[in-house]
Amino acid sequence: DTGVSQNPRHKITKRGQNVTFRCDPISEHNRLYWYRQTLGQGPEFLTYFQNEAQLEKSRLLSDRFSAERPKGSFSTLEIQRTEQGDSAMYLCATRTSGGADEQFFGPGTRLTVL
Amino acid sequence: AQKITQTQPGMFVQEKEAVTLDCTYDTSDPSYGLFWYKQPSSGEMIFLIYQGSYDQQNATEGRYSLNFQKARKSANLVISASQLGDSAMYFCAMREGPSNYQLIWGAGTKLIIKP
Repeated sequence: DTGVSQNPRHKITKRGQNVTFRCDPISEHNRLYWYRQTLGQGPEFLTYFQNEAQLEKSRLLSDRFSAERPKGSFSTLEIQRTEQGDSAMYLCATRTSGGADEQFFGPGTRLTVL
Repeated sequence: AQKITQTQPGMFVQEKEAVTLDCTYDTSDPSYGLFWYKQPSSGEMIFLIYQGSYDQQNATEGRYSLNFQKARKSANLVISASQLGDSAMYFCAMREGPSNYQLIWGAGTKLIIKP
């Protein structure tokens, strides 16, 4: 257990529904990342927060995706009008500024869109 | 072009043997960082080892070492005395630049340790 928590762990939804995932970082970690991982592949970067500021977004993050980190602590990732291609593991990772470069990952949220 | 290439989709290794997992990378930035993560079947991503581009020595962490060959743009992970619990997916990742935020990941190698 890295100390990063994600909820829910699993989500099954029907195509067209909206879903929201939550990530709670290690308390002193001000940097937070969202990744998407499909079966048999490495993670793909989605977006990055430093404190509450969203500093970088991937082209993968279409306008159906939105992420927030309102108080610089927990973060949410929302997918609107889900599509079957959104089925994947959504990973959250956090780290401190400076110091070690490693990112600490949560257990992920597995999304299945039927 | 792929930024991170892991050419071994899968490997079988006898328990207690050493194993080398290959990773090559592509960047023109002189400052970068290389990472190895382990992902067991349970799904959590576990950090193993880190090598900075300016580090003179190869990184080591317990049974893990990183064979860093800068001229060849190679960052292979070596696991000594493999154990059954080492069976997992292993991912190589790179951070480009001193302050870039994201990690770029390879496709991974599935390692299976045989008893």
